[in-house]
Amino acid sequence: DVKVTQSSRYLVKRTGEKVFLECVQDMDHENMFWYRQDPGLGLRLIYFSYDVKMKEKGDIPEGYSVSREKKERFSLILESASTNQTSMYLCASRGDRGSYEQYFGPGTRLTVT
Amino acid sequence: KNQVEQSPQSLIILEGKNCTLQCNYTVSPFSNLRWYKQDTGRGPVSLTIMTFSENTKSNGRYTATLDADTKQSSLHITASQLSDSASYICVVSAYGYGNKLVFGAGTILRVKS
Repeated sequence: DVKVTQSSRYLVKRTGEKVFLECVQDMDHENMFWYRQDPGLGLRLIYFSYDVKMKEKGDIPEGYSVSREKKERFSLILESASTNQTSMYLCASRGDRGSYEQYFGPGTRLTVT
Repeated sequence: KNQVEQSPQSLIILEGKNCTLQCNYTVSPFSNLRWYKQDTGRGPVSLTIMTFSENTKSNGRYTATLDADTKQSSLHITASQLSDSASYICVVSAYGYGNKLVFGAGTILRVKS
């Protein structure tokens, strides 16, 4: 079974703090994704990566950056957290470009106060 | 604009009853349509994936249908159980760079005894 893990289930940070969300997958997948999920809205893509050290902006990259130094690990960074970044953050991974299936992690609920 | 609309927003049914969730989309060019189940506080888990040529696909008590001409899909749940209480998300993939996924906002289903 594919396993996607996220470093924290719940996180509370103060405005202005630098926040790191970590995601690890164990299936040697090339593609990894970071989404945020807010009530009444569908999942929105923040950033994705097709390979190590490669990153592409998604639909809402502002205020976020990412890092992929190893194939299995994809980190989301909030350089200076703001209250409007309070949300559920979901990481996902997928095999090669011909594969449809995308596997999600359990999510990190981030609260910025 | 690529969009996925789901209805109803929420639904309450009695245990043992059937229900049908709806999904309309305007995503183009169409690649595939997926239904995910997301339990509260968890990441989404795939139920079915259908390509253009598939009209119906089942996964246990879940049956998804696709009408690519009218750009509509439905998810039918038979003999509902309390464990079916969750959010059900319709996701449509477009051909192109990254096989971009467009997410619906989800239907929240509550099954009560």
